[in-house]
Amino acid sequence: DTEVTQTPKHLVMGMTNKKSLKCEQHMGHRAMYWYKQKAKKPPELMFVYSYEKLSINESVPSRFSPECPNSSLLNLHLHALQPEDSALYLCASRAAGELAGGSGANVLTFGAGSRLTVL
Amino acid sequence: AQSVTQLDSHVSVSEGTPVLLRCNYSSSYSPSLFWYVQHPNKGLQLLLKYTSAATLVKGINGFEAEFKKSETSFHLTKPSAHMSDAAEYFCVVSDERYSTLTFGKGTMLLVSP
Repeated sequence: DTEVTQTPKHLVMGMTNKKSLKCEQHMGHRAMYWYKQKAKKPPELMFVYSYEKLSINESVPSRFSPECPNSSLLNLHLHALQPEDSALYLCASRAAGELAGGSGANVLTFGAGSRLTVL
Repeated sequence: AQSVTQLDSHVSVSEGTPVLLRCNYSSSYSPSLFWYVQHPNKGLQLLLKYTSAATLVKGINGFEAEFKKSETSFHLTKPSAHMSDAAEYFCVVSDERYSTLTFGKGTMLLVSP
């Protein structure tokens, strides 16, 4: 299995809703990422988990709450979002630590994304 | 610090003609360089990567790129464009020290019949 699976593909929510985005991979990767991508822009890094611990938080507002319950799963909990948070949210994973190196080093595998619309 | 500059925001070609997407980078360490492609409303797919092995890198779908350290460039080429190549292309740099990626702003490739 060489895929990163993201669900749901599309999500519409109001500003008072609580919802979650889910990301799953079974490649044995121990680094997982959340990116946010606005239209016609490159992806912007939000969070990085390494060995299930949060290693990078790029000053993301607290209305976004990441969670890594195990080495295969990454969630992004959403609460009290604003319309400007509407975007494509991309999950990615990478081999880390002793699994990195060689031709696979630093290669991120991306999911297809979750398209979020906040009304 | 590291950065990447994609010199063209849009490139238009006719089907069957060569493609050249330009990328320059800067990095304090030995960089790893990547090209990713993104079709509309899709995730990012790795086209090819340079990780200090051969300087001419071949990727999927007939794309290749050449790492030129003296010019700090990593341009993406394809001999003959296909309609299905129309997409956004991102040049990306990563170095071992930071283990995160720095994206260029992207180049939209338009292919006309």
